Amino acid sequence: GENVEQHPSTLSVQEGDSAVIKCTYSDSASNYFPWYKQELGKRPQLIIDIRSNVGEKKDQRIAVTLNKTAKHFSLHITETQPEDSAVYFCAASLTGNQFYFGTGTSLTVIP
Amino acid sequence: DARVTQTPRHKVTEMGQEVTMRCQPILGHNTVFWYRQTMMQGLELLAYFRNRAPLDDSGMPKDRFSAEMPDATLATLKIQPSEPRDSAVYFCASGLIETQYFGPGTRLLVL
Repeated sequence: GENVEQHPSTLSVQEGDSAVIKCTYSDSASNYFPWYKQELGKRPQLIIDIRSNVGEKKDQRIAVTLNKTAKHFSLHITETQPEDSAVYFCAASLTGNQFYFGTGTSLTVIP
Repeated sequence: DARVTQTPRHKVTEMGQEVTMRCQPILGHNTVFWYRQTMMQGLELLAYFRNRAPLDDSGMPKDRFSAEMPDATLATLKIQPSEPRDSAVYFCASGLIETQYFGPGTRLLVL
């Protein structure tokens, strides 16, 4: 089955700096890669996703890149703000079947 | 803004009691997932359904857990008998094709 690894497990950045979270996956058949943000006590919320036929996707301050050859994908947050502080999860899926999640990155943005 | 709903939001019960958690997926979504989240194990997939048919429940302890979708608007997860190690947050998520959206979760404490 699929195995998703996520690094780092914790990340602290100064407000305004960039944050990068990286994930690797093992199954080359996986073709859909979402990222979720989970604030304390809340539900995971989909913030951005990318499909295997695309190399990069941006949405305002958030971007995701995918390297299919190396089987890794990354989340980039620019101009971080305190409200970006949360746990971020990556996931890999084959067309919406069986989502395999990374172990999460706790991001702290220091004002 | 359609959302997945779950009831109850919180449940405290004693070991050995039956627990039933309910989920109402977003109208039109054809896939429903049940996850368990703990600090130690992260997000674990327990079961998922597509068009109300169970596709995978290999993540679920079969002797005590059961998941059903009696109709397209209701998914249930039952634990009988409950044990203290079942204490966790249980999330339901629904999706269409690839995406999935999480409900608010049921926070279960088994004493």
